[in-house]
Amino acid sequence: DQQVKQNSPSLSVQEGRISILNCDYTNSMFDYFLWYKKYPAEGPTFLISISSIKDKNEDGRFTVFLNKSAKHLSLHIVPSQPGDSAVYFCAASARRGLDSNYQLIWGAGTKLIIKP
Amino acid sequence: DSGVTQTPKHLITATGQRVTLRCSPRSGDLSVYWYQQSLDQGLQFLIQYYNGEERAKGNILERFSAQQFPDLHSELNLSSLELGDSALYFCASSVEPRTYNEQFFGPGTRLTVL
Repeated sequence: DQQVKQNSPSLSVQEGRISILNCDYTNSMFDYFLWYKKYPAEGPTFLISISSIKDKNEDGRFTVFLNKSAKHLSLHIVPSQPGDSAVYFCAASARRGLDSNYQLIWGAGTKLIIKP
Repeated sequence: DSGVTQTPKHLITATGQRVTLRCSPRSGDLSVYWYQQSLDQGLQFLIQYYNGEERAKGNILERFSAQQFPDLHSELNLSSLELGDSALYFCASSVEPRTYNEQFFGPGTRLTVL
């Protein structure tokens, strides 16, 4: 049961244009979402996050949008740069109880290729 | 450099064998997470330790076990290895588990079971 889905295994975008990476989730209890970026031979690194009480969070060239009714989030990168070529993972978490721990549920990733 | 170290980087072994993967968290981080990434799959959460104690369990097989030592480093033990255990194993750390703090990942250990 895939609770977090990234339906596009890869995406190719021209340098300077906008990259839009999509993520869908099924569990309405998820209340925090994160995007991680992964280069080959390295571990994932945190990029940007959003709480379910917001619908948008921006950090420089990166903006994450959350549509709770559609259970959908997207990561926008503007303008796209060659160094953005990487695999992008969407992850979601749900708080459980007051003394809560949380686990991240991860999507399968989207490989972004920025063409010069 | 995330500050999380993992050894070894690569491991090649045979079916039925046992291996130990090691992780040292970032300085000051008390929580350690283990993940498995099989080919073209997302990261599967295996297990989490916090300050030496098991905190949460994910999809970890009974053949796998882990522990966190008093110096906070962690080891993931994989036994009776099968071909399907070939994967990238990541360790991550965070300050504590009860916040939404980001997790910092090590470079991973690539395990190949022949």
